[in-house]
Amino acid sequence: GQQVMQIPQYQHVQEGEDFTTYCNSSTTLSNIQWYKQRPGGHPVFLIQLVKSGEVKKQKRLTFQFGEAKKNSSLHITATQTTDVGTYFCAGNDMRFGAGTRLTVKP
Amino acid sequence: NAGVMQNPRHLVRRRGQEARLRCSPMKGHSHVYWYRQLPEEGLKFMVYLQKENIIDESGMPKERFSAEFPKEGPSILRIQQVVRGDSAAYFCASSLSGGRYEQYFGPGTRLTVT
Repeated sequence: GQQVMQIPQYQHVQEGEDFTTYCNSSTTLSNIQWYKQRPGGHPVFLIQLVKSGEVKKQKRLTFQFGEAKKNSSLHITATQTTDVGTYFCAGNDMRFGAGTRLTVKP
Repeated sequence: NAGVMQNPRHLVRRRGQEARLRCSPMKGHSHVYWYRQLPEEGLKFMVYLQKENIIDESGMPKERFSAEFPKEGPSILRIQQVVRGDSAAYFCASSLSGGRYEQYFGPGTRLTVT
């Protein structure tokens, strides 16, 4: 099956700094989904991208789907302590990337 | 509108015992997925089921693990003769359909094998 690779594995930022996590697939994806898991919690669906080059925004979060539909990114502007958690991408066969663990220093 | 329910939330088993994990999907959802997560690690896909059918079990260990989703009742993940390495959080998720639909996760079952 397909594999999705996520980088970086960890990211530690100062509150107010920006954060980006990247997801790359070896094969073309029909869609990609992003999830957030707070420490001790369960994954929560954030968004799904379907179209080539698609960009979607949710407040301070910007999601992009690459033109070739093989990569995606999640960018958070001006991080807050509430953004702490692990961000996962998942390809259309629901295999999850390893996740990027974000910590935010107040 | 209840979300995905999993029980028990915490399960302690001695080595060699059986563990049964239950998952009730969201109302109207007929697709269920099981994942395993070790501490500080990602979500490892185990199995994808629809009612009475196993669609994809490529992530399931060949021995000791089985899953079902009967016509009536919850989906069950069964681990026979548990070993310490089975200690993990097991998450169930459900979706309206496969592939293109978002998954809703349950709170997970934390299995500890002593």
